[in-house]
Amino acid sequence: GQQLNQSPQSMFIQEGEDVSMNCTSSSIFNTWLWYKQDPGEGPVLLIALYKAGELTSNGRLTAQFGITRKDSFLNISASIPSDVGIYFCAGANYGQNFVFGPGTRLSVLP
Amino acid sequence: KAGVTQTPRYLIKTRGQQVTLSCSPISGHRSVSWYQQTPGQGLQFLFEYFSETQRNKGNFPGRFSGRQFSNSRSEMNVSTLELGDSALYLCASSLAGREETQYFGPGTRLLVL
Repeated sequence: GQQLNQSPQSMFIQEGEDVSMNCTSSSIFNTWLWYKQDPGEGPVLLIALYKAGELTSNGRLTAQFGITRKDSFLNISASIPSDVGIYFCAGANYGQNFVFGPGTRLSVLP
Repeated sequence: KAGVTQTPRYLIKTRGQQVTLSCSPISGHRSVSWYQQTPGQGLQFLFEYFSETQRNKGNFPGRFSGRQFSNSRSEMNVSTLELGDSALYLCASSLAGREETQYFGPGTRLLVL
């Protein structure tokens, strides 16, 4: 079945640094979603991408739908302590349910 | 608009018991998907309901079942609970399901003793 890989698995950064993470698939997707999850809470939608090559921003967050349709990238600029959490990517094809990556755990050091 | 709500938020059960979890989707959303999240397995798809019909099912045993009502609210039931069923159970709603953008509820934390 379809699988998603996320890298890095975890990262420690200094407050104020920029962050990059990515998500890759063995097959193509038509929709990519990025979520952030805080401990004990449900994932919160950050950005949705619907078209290959699409670049979408949400405040300090920017995500891109890879042109091969097999990957997506999430960047966070000028990280702050509240950026701490687990970031999940999810992909789906038309008529299919979403597949989720294992997550990237982000820690921000003051 | 109110977000996705799930009740209860926390639950403690013992092995062999059964449990029912509830999910109310965002108003106007007709699709509800359920997921199990554990530290070891991540987010795993349980099933999706659309217009009171189960449209897709993940690879879980028959002890896991669900239903959807005419107002799109959904319930999930787990019978004969096992220790391994301890997890965060999340539901997500979307307008029409599948590749449509999903919005998650806060989850129900189930602990099986």
